[in-house]
Amino acid sequence: EVQLVESGGGLVQPGGSLRLSCAASGFTFSSYWMSWVRQAPGKGLEWVANIKQDGSEKYYVDSVKGRFTISRDNAKNSLYLQMNSLRAEDTAVYYCARGRFGGGYMDVWGKGTTVTVSS
Amino acid sequence: DIQMTQSPSTLSASVGDRVTITCRASQSISSWLAWYQQKPGKAPKLLIYKASSLESGVPSRFSGSGSGTEFTLTISSLQPDDFATYYCQQYNSYPFTFGPGTKVDIK
Repeated sequence: EVQLVESGGGLVQPGGSLRLSCAASGFTFSSYWMSWVRQAPGKGLEWVANIKQDGSEKYYVDSVKGRFTISRDNAKNSLYLQMNSLRAEDTAVYYCARGRFGGGYMDVWGKGTTVTVSS
Repeated sequence: DIQMTQSPSTLSASVGDRVTITCRASQSISSWLAWYQQKPGKAPKLLIYKASSLESGVPSRFSGSGSGTEFTLTISSLQPDDFATYYCQQYNSYPFTFGPGTKVDIK
């Protein structure tokens, strides 16, 4: 079964850091672009970042550039999102998703992990 | 950045109704558009990619059309399982962007 399982969410103070992980199974992880998408409480979806199969290309939404870093470990079938200098507006459910067609659209999603930034 | 808009924001419909949701892009995105369905507390589910290609396993009552800046998602006969929020997403250029969503609820 194709599956993505996120972990690492939690409560963090403004200015703090958090590292999200996504464990992939049931498919050849190294063959796919991977993405992070977030959803603030009661709001719509926001694409956050994606990474090419070999990690050689990474793209970010402007609001997280310089603060978030996407990475992957193909040997461990894992995707990561290092989040630094967190702000209240980063509070959201963070989804890991598998990308198709150069990572453009996302065909498999995890259940999400919740990040709350609050003092 | 490419801005995506959707109309209506909320749609009340009955089982068996034909439902159409419109998505517009602020500039041409060719056919690089996807549609997702999301139910409360759940992850989004891919329905349509490349504007009109039906994702494997998605019922044929869902269809997509359009190109350039205007797109539609049509549900030919609304079923109880279809009450959800629907999002369009462009992948023509970075940053990828989603529409604000259309909630389909029971009339």
